[in-house]
Amino acid sequence: DTAVSQTPKYLVTQMGNDKSIKCEQNLGHDTMYWYKQDSKKFLKIMFSYNNKELIINETVPNRFSPKSPDKAHLNLHINSLELGDSAVYFCASSQAAYTEAFFGQGTRLTVV
Amino acid sequence: AQSVAQPEDQVNVAEGNPLTVKCTYSVSGNPYLFWYVQYPNRGLQFLLKYITGDNLVKGSYGFEAEFNKSQTSFHLKKPSALVSDSALYFCAVRDRGNSSYKLIFGSGTRLLVRP
Repeated sequence: DTAVSQTPKYLVTQMGNDKSIKCEQNLGHDTMYWYKQDSKKFLKIMFSYNNKELIINETVPNRFSPKSPDKAHLNLHINSLELGDSAVYFCASSQAAYTEAFFGQGTRLTVV
Repeated sequence: AQSVAQPEDQVNVAEGNPLTVKCTYSVSGNPYLFWYVQYPNRGLQFLLKYITGDNLVKGSYGFEAEFNKSQTSFHLKKPSALVSDSALYFCAVRDRGNSSYKLIFGSGTRLLVRP
């Protein structure tokens, strides 16, 4: 029973394409997140949603658009992919804002 | 603004010796503090947290961490390191105010335990 699952695990695509990453959590959590981990392993928060409402948008380019159809899902759509978007993207969830977050296994995005 | 510093890129320790991975933080009020571990090609796994109460918190796999408010530190420790502890360790902080939805991570410290 995977708590936070992301699909796909690997994504290789050409510059200019549009792609989506899906995330689902079966923990009943209210808050979900997207993080980006770059090649130097820095983890940077991109978005935070609480009860399907966008709470945090960390100055992410407009090409990135999260969508939360319900509390258990937070998908990430990326338009016009650029080389610099290559990274590992992690989805996470937490029960409340002050509790620990549980992470998915990551999606390694490679833009060529 | 919240921030977390992990001053060491890498920590090397011999198996069986104690280990310490350092973390200092900066938040406007009292923080929530966390440690995570990341094994190669894996997601982050939660190790332990400090919310309130006893300054020494115990977590998974024999790890513990000590919250020191005066030094704004939350160092991760283990009395006896195992080779299997070799991984990337992240310290993270949440503010208790309006920014509590933001979990901020340090830059990570690679722990290498040699046999």
